[in-house]
Amino acid sequence: DAKTTQPPSMDCAEGRAANLPCNHSTISGNEYVYWYRQIHSQGPQYIIHGLKNNETNEMASLIITEDRKSSTLILPHATLRDTAVYYCIDLYSGAGSYQLTFGKGTKLSVIP
Amino acid sequence: ETGVTQTPRHLVMGMTNKKSLKCEQHLGHNAMYWYKQSAKKPLELMFVYNFKEQTENNSVPSRFSPECPNSSHLFLHLHTLQPEDSALYLCASSQDLTRGTGELFFGEGSRLTVL
Repeated sequence: DAKTTQPPSMDCAEGRAANLPCNHSTISGNEYVYWYRQIHSQGPQYIIHGLKNNETNEMASLIITEDRKSSTLILPHATLRDTAVYYCIDLYSGAGSYQLTFGKGTKLSVIP
Repeated sequence: ETGVTQTPRHLVMGMTNKKSLKCEQHLGHNAMYWYKQSAKKPLELMFVYNFKEQTENNSVPSRFSPECPNSSHLFLHLHTLQPEDSALYLCASSQDLTRGTGELFFGEGSRLTVL
């Protein structure tokens, strides 16, 4: 079962920032925070990951709290194409195993 | 275009049929995965291969038989399936299990319907 907790759904106005929260209540010191999204009828797409520090790439920003018990994925200017289910995953990145365990995620609806 | 191609995109089969799903990746990766996504359920990991060797089998019934002839190709052979096996089957690849990260590249999936 997934170890993270996310709200089942969120709405965001087009052009505004979408802030998607995730709780990582049981995350351990050697587990990274990964975010994926799945647009309808497509395979999941990697977005971003981090360990302790905040991260930013061309798709999104990831904010991780100091105690690492929660994170927020930020899509700075949401578009209609960002409508998808977003998954946060705690992943041990030691050698030998990359078993992504997906939960139910947050269904983000970007509204015109 | 993720670099991972799955065929067929849609498949309808009877319970007595034998069919195969194919996955090919053009990313130079050495780890490949099969996931199953049933309606209203989270994605479930089925099998993992690393450098052509199977490293994970998550208690998958024997009516699903994976094959990895080389690091670029992965098959899922299907026989005597049940209607509850109807789902979206997703293939993914990553660099490898010893040096890579958790960044997996997924195909668009094969939608399977078992009648």
